[in-house]
Amino acid sequence: EVQLVESGGGLVQPGGSLRLSCAASAFTFSDFDMNWVRQAPGKGLEWVSYISSSGTTIYYADSVRGRFTISRDNAKNSLYLHMTSLGAEDTAVYYCARERISMVRGATANWFDPWGQGTLVTVSS
Amino acid sequence: SYELTQPPSVSVSPGQTASITCSGDRLGDRYVSWYQQKPGQSPVLVMYQDTKRPSGIPERFSGSNSGNTATLTISGTQAMDEADYYCQAWDSSTVVFGGGTKLTVL
Repeated sequence: EVQLVESGGGLVQPGGSLRLSCAASAFTFSDFDMNWVRQAPGKGLEWVSYISSSGTTIYYADSVRGRFTISRDNAKNSLYLHMTSLGAEDTAVYYCARERISMVRGATANWFDPWGQGTLVTVSS
Repeated sequence: SYELTQPPSVSVSPGQTASITCSGDRLGDRYVSWYQQKPGQSPVLVMYQDTKRPSGIPERFSGSNSGNTATLTISGTQAMDEADYYCQAWDSSTVVFGGGTKLTVL
């Protein structure tokens, strides 16, 4: 069964740093683009970052650009999110998600499947 | 920045049809995905490429996308369909989610 398991969440003080990990299994990790998506308590989904299968293309949401760094180690089947200068607004459950892509009539369709179970990051003093 | 707008809530009686909309500028020119999220659980893909159902998703789920609006339709809604639903699309180098719709099955 395709599985994504996040880890590394926890309580961190404002201004602190944290590194999240996402361990992939039961699929060829190096063939897939990956994303991080977060959800603040009681709020909706917010996309955080994207990394291509090779790691050469990376995108960030404006809210985290310059503070968060996405990376991957295809040899370890792992995705990472290094977060710095954390603030209360970063408190959320962080999900990793595998991206699926298809080309349809010259256009690209992208979707996320599956998602991990999430890891909670709480920024508080 | 591109925005996707969903109604905060939709109510439906068991066995009836629920329609959840997602609006965005020329959304029909993009492909839309939909996710279902039940309390305390991770999101689950229920529709991709506007109209395609992943394996394991019941046939009562269907999708459409035209003009400025994408719609997720649940026919013969069941109590187990009560959840939050999110639409999603790509815009340039950014992934955009709608604000989510809470579906209540009364």
